[in-house]
Amino acid sequence: DTAVSQTPKYLVTQMGNDKSIKCEQNLGHDTMYWYKQDSKKFLKIMFSYNNKELIINETVPNRFSPKSPDKAHLNLHINSLELGDSAVYFCASSPSYATNEKLFFGSGTQLSVL
Amino acid sequence: AQSVTQLGSHVSVSEGALVLLRCNYSSSVPPYLFWYVQYPNQGLQLLLKYTSAATLVKGINGFEAEFKKSETSFHLTKPSAHMSDAAEYFCAVSPTGANSKLTFGKGITLSVRP
Repeated sequence: DTAVSQTPKYLVTQMGNDKSIKCEQNLGHDTMYWYKQDSKKFLKIMFSYNNKELIINETVPNRFSPKSPDKAHLNLHINSLELGDSAVYFCASSPSYATNEKLFFGSGTQLSVL
Repeated sequence: AQSVTQLGSHVSVSEGALVLLRCNYSSSVPPYLFWYVQYPNQGLQLLLKYTSAATLVKGINGFEAEFKKSETSFHLTKPSAHMSDAAEYFCAVSPTGANSKLTFGKGITLSVRP
């Protein structure tokens, strides 16, 4: 019973394509996040949703669009993929965005744009 | 703005040796500090956190960290390294304690030699 699961684990695609990454958590948490980890392992937050509402939207190209159909799911859609989008994308969740209770991370989606 | 600095990118120790991973923070307010670990092909997991209570914080897997305000440091230590400790370690800071304000360092790779 994986707490935070994201699919696919690997995604290889051509420049210009549109792709989606899905994330689901079964922990009953209110808050979900998307992080991007670049080739140098630097981890940066992209988006956060609390109870299906967007609360964090960092400086990310508008080609990236998160969608939260319910508080257990947070999907990431990427339009017109570029070489620089190649990275590992992590989904995470926590009971609340306002407290410091630990984040639970998925195992990542490695996106390779050719 | 808050930030953390993890000097160096790679630390190598022998099995049974002391592990010391350095983290210095910059924050305009008393910070909340965290160490997360990322094992190969997995998401991050919380090792320990400092939330303005005891300055010496004990975490999972025998790790501990000491908050030193005078040195603006939160170094991670373990008395005796085990092969299973080989992973990527991330220091993180949040000025308010909120997960929504969490900023990660660039991470440091720990290798353990037999």
